[in-house]
Amino acid sequence: SQTIHQWPATLVQPVGSPLSLECTVEGTSNPNLYWYRQAAGRGLQLLFYSVGIGQISSEVPQNLSASRPQDRQFILSSKKLLLSDSGFYLCAWSRAEPRELFFGEGSRLTVL
Amino acid sequence: SQQGEEDPQALSIQEGENATMNCSYKTSINNLQWYRQNSGRGLVHLILIRSNEREKHSGRLRVTLDTSKKSSSLLITASRAADTASYFCATDSGGSNYKLTFGKGTLLTVNP
Repeated sequence: SQTIHQWPATLVQPVGSPLSLECTVEGTSNPNLYWYRQAAGRGLQLLFYSVGIGQISSEVPQNLSASRPQDRQFILSSKKLLLSDSGFYLCAWSRAEPRELFFGEGSRLTVL
Repeated sequence: SQQGEEDPQALSIQEGENATMNCSYKTSINNLQWYRQNSGRGLVHLILIRSNEREKHSGRLRVTLDTSKKSSSLLITASRAADTASYFCATDSGGSNYKLTFGKGTLLTVNP
């Protein structure tokens, strides 16, 4: 069966510090991968998606970036965090069709 | 603006009652999906209904889709305290657009 792992689960970072969130998927090959952000009491905002190694599409211009160094690994990064980067970050994967999303447990980021 | 908009924003019912949540969207879709999110956790896929389907059942869940009105409803029958969660609809426009667009969700509270 397929599983998705996301870490760290919680982190508190000072403004201006770097960020790295990692997500890995097991039990499937060539998944579509996604990073979403969820602000408190809000819906999900798609940040990045990837349909293959090295293929990243950005939905929202910001100081975040994503990389896919391996087929089942998706990394969300920032060189310098802003207060507005605080939120709940969710990694997800899907097959090409149907595009049902399978989410990780999320990473709660607080920027102080 | 959000493609999917859930209504109501919050719903409180007693155990054993039925819960109905609605979702409206604006553009044509390939399918519509419902997800559940327990507080502080990742989202879990509940059910997918394709644009050529009008109704679908899964256990205590019943989903309807009216493409002429661009709306969908999720009915949870005989609710349980464990059904307490936020419920989101997400629309898939299909094709090369890989984005599932989520609404802000309905917070369902089932009181024992």
